[in-house]
Amino acid sequence: GDSVIQMQGQVTLSENDFLFINCTYSTTGYPTLFWYVQYSGEGPQLLLQVTTANNKGSSRGFEATYDKGTTSFHLQKTSVQEIDSAVYYCAMRATGYQNFYFGKGTSLTVIP
Amino acid sequence: EAAVTQSPRNKVAVTGGKVTLSCNQTNNHNNMYWYRQDTGHGLRLIHYSYGAGSTEKGDIPDGYKASRPSQENFSLILELATPSQTSVYFCASGDARLGVNYAEQFFGPGTRLTVL
Repeated sequence: GDSVIQMQGQVTLSENDFLFINCTYSTTGYPTLFWYVQYSGEGPQLLLQVTTANNKGSSRGFEATYDKGTTSFHLQKTSVQEIDSAVYYCAMRATGYQNFYFGKGTSLTVIP
Repeated sequence: EAAVTQSPRNKVAVTGGKVTLSCNQTNNHNNMYWYRQDTGHGLRLIHYSYGAGSTEKGDIPDGYKASRPSQENFSLILELATPSQTSVYFCASGDARLGVNYAEQFFGPGTRLTVL
């Protein structure tokens, strides 16, 4: 069945470090893939979405791509800042389905 | 700007009591969702709705009921609350128009529920 796996539970980085978070997905359809960010005390909000394999989405210095061959998608940022500390969720919506599949989330802490 | 509101924002309940969590959206979206968020589990879907009068079971519906009396409102009901239902609950809405496969979900700010 459809699913999303997000293995990295917690990541701690220093400011200006490189961030890379990876998810894998499984679906028989054509996925649209999303990255959500959740700041402390708030609900998740959309950070990026990628609708076409090997195309990049970008927002607020973050980039996202997905690889149809390895059924993986990732989020990266070249130089993280303390304000990027948050929980990041990957999510998938399969074509023709109205529900989302969320990963378990990656809690990012950036040390100044 | 999409707007999803939840009430109450914080709730303390006793075991065996009835709890109702409310959600309102002004996006005119057909779809609405209830999730719970727990450390190590991320967001898990409890119930969802495709429009007024409809409710569907999500991945973890046991112990919960849902009600969608109108396009704008979606409630989550715990008839007999248990300590295991202590969690943060999020409501979301989403566009279901045909062809809008990329449409995002818009989340509310969450309700922190503690069952003693």
